Amino acid sequence: DSGVTQTPKHLITATGQRVTLRCSPRSGDLSVYWYQQSLDQGLQFLIQYYNGEERAKGNILERFSAQQFPDLHSELNLSSLELGDSALYFCASTPRLARNTGELFFGEGSRLTVL
Amino acid sequence: GQQVMQIPQYQHVQEGEDFTTYCNSSTTLSNIQWYKQRPGGHPVFLIQLVKSGEVKKQKRLTFQFGEAKKNSSLHITATQTTDVGTYFCAGRIGGSYIPTFGRGTSLIVHP
Repeated sequence: DSGVTQTPKHLITATGQRVTLRCSPRSGDLSVYWYQQSLDQGLQFLIQYYNGEERAKGNILERFSAQQFPDLHSELNLSSLELGDSALYFCASTPRLARNTGELFFGEGSRLTVL
Repeated sequence: GQQVMQIPQYQHVQEGEDFTTYCNSSTTLSNIQWYKQRPGGHPVFLIQLVKSGEVKKQKRLTFQFGEAKKNSSLHITATQTTDVGTYFCAGRIGGSYIPTFGRGTSLIVHP
C-alpha cells in the first residue's frame, strides 16, 4: 500500500460525458502528479501540482483540467469524453519539489472506459 | 518533444534465463529511476541512480547509469516467475522536476 488513494477504481461512461477522478496523496506529501497510461502510449505525464499550485504541464488536453485543494487532495476533470480517452489514470505523490526528489508513490489508478 | 526510449517492448524468457532492458535519452538525465508494474497493478519504485557510471545491485537485479548520463540498463539474472511485469525507466531530463517515463519493457517468464 503506497498510501496514495484514488477513486473511483473503475468508471464506465459514454462519449461526450464528464468525469472527475480524485486523488489523496500520502500524508505529508505536497506534490501530486497525474499520469495517463494507455496501451500504445505508456505512462504520459499530464500535470503536476505542488502545495495547491500548478507547477508543470505535460501532454494534457484542453478538455482536461485539474486542481489541488487546500487539504492537498487533487481532482482531474475530464470533459467531452472521447473513445480515445479510455485509459488508466494514475496519481502519484512526493513529499516536496526537488530535481533529485526520490521515488514517486503511485496510487492504484482509476480505469476509465468510454463507450 | 524530449523522450526517453526504452527497448525491447516485450521479452519472453524461460525461467532461469537472464533479462536486460535498456533506456536511452538524447539529452543528459539528472537522474534515472526504475519502476516495476505487475499485471493489473501500479508502478512501484525499484531504485534511483544519480551519478555518472553508477551501478547498484538488488539481489538478482543490477542497475547501471551510463557515463554520459544518457542511458541506463536493468539486468535480471536467472529470472523467476515472480519477475513477471513491466519495467519502466523514468528520467529527469535536464533541470526538469518531472520524470519522463519510457514505454516500458514487459517481461514474460515461462516456467
